[in-house]
Order: sequence, then C-alpha cells, then structure tokens
Amino acid sequence: DSGVTQTPKHLITATGQRVTLRCSPRSGDLSVYWYQQSLDQGLQFLIQYYNGEERAKGNILERFSAQQFPDLHSELNLSSLELGDSALYFCASMPGDSSYNEQFFGPGTRLTVL
Amino acid sequence: SQQGEEDPQALSIQEGENATMNCSYKTSINNLQWYRQNSGRGLVHLILIRSNEREKHSGRLRVTLDTSKKSSSLLITASRAADTASYFCATAPRKGAQKLVFGQGTRLTINP
Repeated sequence: DSGVTQTPKHLITATGQRVTLRCSPRSGDLSVYWYQQSLDQGLQFLIQYYNGEERAKGNILERFSAQQFPDLHSELNLSSLELGDSALYFCASMPGDSSYNEQFFGPGTRLTVL
Repeated sequence: SQQGEEDPQALSIQEGENATMNCSYKTSINNLQWYRQNSGRGLVHLILIRSNEREKHSGRLRVTLDTSKKSSSLLITASRAADTASYFCATAPRKGAQKLVFGQGTRLTINP
C-alpha cells in the first residue's frame, strides 16, 4: 500500500459526459501528479500540482482540468468524454516538487467510456 | 510522447533464471527510475539511479546506467513467479518541467 488513495476504482460512463476523479496523496506529500495509461499511448504525464498550484503540464487535453485543494487532495475533471478517453488514470504523490526522488502511485481509476 | 524505449517488449523465462530489460532515452536526465506494475494495478517504485551513478543494487535487482549511450538495464536475478509484471523505466529531466517520462514497458512472465 503506497498510502495514495484514488476514488472511484471503476467508472463507466457515456460519451459526452463529465466525470471527476479524486486523489488523496500520502500524508505530508505536497505534490500530486496525474497520469493516463492507455494501450496505444502508454503512460502519459498529464499535470502536476504542488501545494495547490499548477507546476507542470503534459499532454493534457483542454477538455481535462485538475485542481489541488487546501487539504492537498486533488481532483481531475474530464468533460465531453470520448471513447478514446477510456484508460487507467493514476495519481502519484511525493514530498517535494521535483522528480529527483521516487513517486508513490495510487491504485488508479479505470474509466470506461461507452 | 514517450522518451524511453524499452527492449524487449515482452520476455518469458523459467523460474530461477535471470531477466534483463533494457531502456534507452533521448535527453539529458537527472535520474532514471524503474517501476513495476502488476496487471492493471498501480505502479510500484523499484529503484532510482542518479545520472552520476553507474550501477545500483537492491536485493535481487541490479540497475546500470550508461549516460554516454543514454541507456539503462534492469537485471532481476533468480526470478520468481511473483516477479511476473510489467516493468517501466522512467526518466526525470535535468532541466525543464519536473515530470517523469515513462517508456512503453517490458512485460515479464516467469514460468513455474
């Protein structure tokens, strides 16, 4: 158990809908990273937050947004969902804001868009 | 886009044999990390090797890093059935946005 929690574990929804994925980092970790894992694209970095502020952006679509709250949990919002958004979404946390140390991954949310 | 290229994409060996996976990358790095993923589950950090290190050990794991060739290898000795998983290398850049860039992974199967 990494100490990072994600809810829900599974999500099935229809095209055009909007969903929110939630991540609680390890106690004391200030950074949260979001990743998308799909068969065709592999594991892709989406976005990083550090202590409530956006720090880095990766291949995140405009239909996707994220935020980190004062209690340090983070939410990833996916809107106008398309079939291709079906994937595993992971969050990871670490104490600092650089990649000079390991990241601790949550169990992921499996999103299926029908 | 994926920076890391892993080789082989899939590897199947007998229990007790050694498994070697390779990773190549393109840009300057601060460190390279290896993660394991059991089927459809979260990634577990295995080992981190910094750019000024050449070799690192952790239990049955041995990682090497050759920055001149921009490549790394992960050796698992005396493999066990529980080692069956996908293994990913991830690079942390020396400059720019501090994000990990993952390879496509090697799917390792240990046959009893």
